[in-house]
Amino acid sequence: GQQLNQSPQSMFIQEGEDVSMNCTSSSIFNTWLWYKQDPGEGPVLLIALYKAGELTSNGRLTAQFGITRKDSFLNISASIPSDVGIYFCVSYSTLTFGKGTMLLVSP
Amino acid sequence: KAGVTQTPRYLIKTRGQQVTLSCSPISGHRSVSWYQQTPGQGLQFLFEYFSETQRNKGNFPGRFSGRQFSNSRSEMNVSTLELGDSALYLCASSSRDRVNSYEQYFGPGTRLTVT
Repeated sequence: GQQLNQSPQSMFIQEGEDVSMNCTSSSIFNTWLWYKQDPGEGPVLLIALYKAGELTSNGRLTAQFGITRKDSFLNISASIPSDVGIYFCVSYSTLTFGKGTMLLVSP
Repeated sequence: KAGVTQTPRYLIKTRGQQVTLSCSPISGHRSVSWYQQTPGQGLQFLFEYFSETQRNKGNFPGRFSGRQFSNSRSEMNVSTLELGDSALYLCASSSRDRVNSYEQYFGPGTRLTVT
């Protein structure tokens, strides 16, 4: 089946640092979504991307739909402790989730 | 608008039993999808229902089944439970009214433990 390669698997950073994570696939997709999951909760939608090359921001979060349509990037600026969680990329049409990037932020 | 609700939140069952989980989507959403989340396999898609019809199906055995009612509420059933079925089961709803509307909103999940 379809696979999404999400990296890094985990990150441990200091509060205030910027963070970058990405998701790649061998297939072309028309939609990329980024979710965040807090422990014991369901994932929460952060950003949706529908067009190759699209750059979208949501507060301190910025995501880009790669021009090749095979990848996407998520950046978090000036991280804070509440950014801790697992970040997932999702591709549709196959409703496939990446394995996630676990982010830990040290105060 | 109320979010996606799932009941029960926690469940403990014995091997061989069956279980039914329930999901109420956001009002107005007609699509409900189910996912299984485990530490080893991550989030895996089970199936999607739209207007009472199964529209997509993941790669799970027939022991996993679902249905959707006319009010868009959905149930998922797992028969003959196995230890490996222990997982967080997540339900997500979406409007899917536009072709590109894949934005899904997740419930808090049902934590199923099989002993």
